[in-house]
Amino acid sequence: DAGITQSPRYKITETGRQVTLMCHQTWSHSYMFWYRQDLGHGLRLIYYSAAADITDKGEVPDGYVVSRSKTENFPLTLESATRSQTSVYFCASSVQRGGTYNEQFFGPGTRLTVL
Amino acid sequence: AQKVTQAQTEISVVEKEDVTLDCVYETRDTTYYLFWYKQPPSGELVFLIRRNSFDEQNEISGRYSWNFQKSTSSFNFTITASQVVDSAVYFCALFSSGSARQLTFGSGTQLTVLP
Repeated sequence: DAGITQSPRYKITETGRQVTLMCHQTWSHSYMFWYRQDLGHGLRLIYYSAAADITDKGEVPDGYVVSRSKTENFPLTLESATRSQTSVYFCASSVQRGGTYNEQFFGPGTRLTVL
Repeated sequence: AQKVTQAQTEISVVEKEDVTLDCVYETRDTTYYLFWYKQPPSGELVFLIRRNSFDEQNEISGRYSWNFQKSTSSFNFTITASQVVDSAVYFCALFSSGSARQLTFGSGTQLTVLP
């Protein structure tokens, strides 16, 4: 039972390059999320998706692009990486039933360094 | 707008001491959910508890207990007889049903338990 996985776990890239972070979940959860974690800010939501082909912006979406063609995958793309995007990125998923909001389960994170 | 404040940036205790982590939240919604997550040094985020706004019962789970008080907008977390393995960053988080479906995190409290 893999749960939720992220790849790569570590990535070093250069300013201006395009980078894609992958997220895959095996639970068939409807909701998926991307967060970044920076010192002093906790976790901040970048984008989320309620279902395949449905995505919406979070708190800090600028410079990022997401897609969700399949329920189990939710890739995050940095179209032109900047140093300010150096961070740890977490993917998460959750199941929503009726009016209840359930906890999110997080992947192991991807540590991205932009030089 | 919703907000979560964890005023304690770092706490250090000696093993077997009790420790309380504070969490104060702000929301205009009457229906909301509160969460605690643990992030050990290995980096993953571990879900600990979820409470909804209609259930103010305090909860105890082993050495962990949670005190939810709507009157003071607080959802505090106590570890009894702390252990070195409890050393981690603890995050409080809030989801309000009336807002965009965003989980708002506090900035976290670094707990260090010394042997």
